[in-house]
Amino acid sequence: QKEVEQDPGPLSVPEGAIVSLNCTYSNSAFQYFMWYRQYSRKGPELLMYTYSSGNKEDGRFTAQVDKSSKYISLFIRDSQPSDSATYLCAMSASGGSYIPTFGRGTSLIVHP
Amino acid sequence: EADIYQTPRYLVIGTGKKITLECSQTMGHDKMYWYQQDPGMELHLIHYSYGVNSTEKGDLSSESTVSRIRTEHFPLTLESARPSHTSQYLCASSGLTDTQYFGPGTRLTVL
Repeated sequence: QKEVEQDPGPLSVPEGAIVSLNCTYSNSAFQYFMWYRQYSRKGPELLMYTYSSGNKEDGRFTAQVDKSSKYISLFIRDSQPSDSATYLCAMSASGGSYIPTFGRGTSLIVHP
Repeated sequence: EADIYQTPRYLVIGTGKKITLECSQTMGHDKMYWYQQDPGMELHLIHYSYGVNSTEKGDLSSESTVSRIRTEHFPLTLESARPSHTSQYLCASSGLTDTQYFGPGTRLTVL
């Protein structure tokens, strides 16, 4: 079993839908959680960075961490075709001494 | 916005050639990384560095080598390219936190 599990999709939704992307993990030491967006043939771009449990909101994006369930989510409100990309979760055990563990990414398609 | 650069962006070469993929960052980050990623597949860490004169191999066995002579520069070299090296190579850096900032990638094709 991998340390970080992420459904590769693809997830196809209509424009304007609320999207929920999720990752589960097994390492209880993970404290820092990140979401990246990767467009085709580009490098991943950092979207959200959160510490420990709770919610963090940035525009149409909300990151949620439930450490008791070892489950993190990224919600996208009012999804747009430009949100079509692969979304990768990443997590690490400390604030600067570890290399993050990445999920394999979920492919999201938002159709007009 | 993160300032991390990779050159070339695209490279097509013949088998047996020696190549160097360049990566530079202007953020003063101590840590730098190289990942290999096939289309639609997950990231695989092949090399990383915690600072000048520090280099380590990652999870994925690779025939490439790296060097870190300057903080801002982390080139990756393939002594003899093979078709199995065809992939996208992503460079990243991080500072005080584990948050990595990625370059645009180099898409390598070995014929």
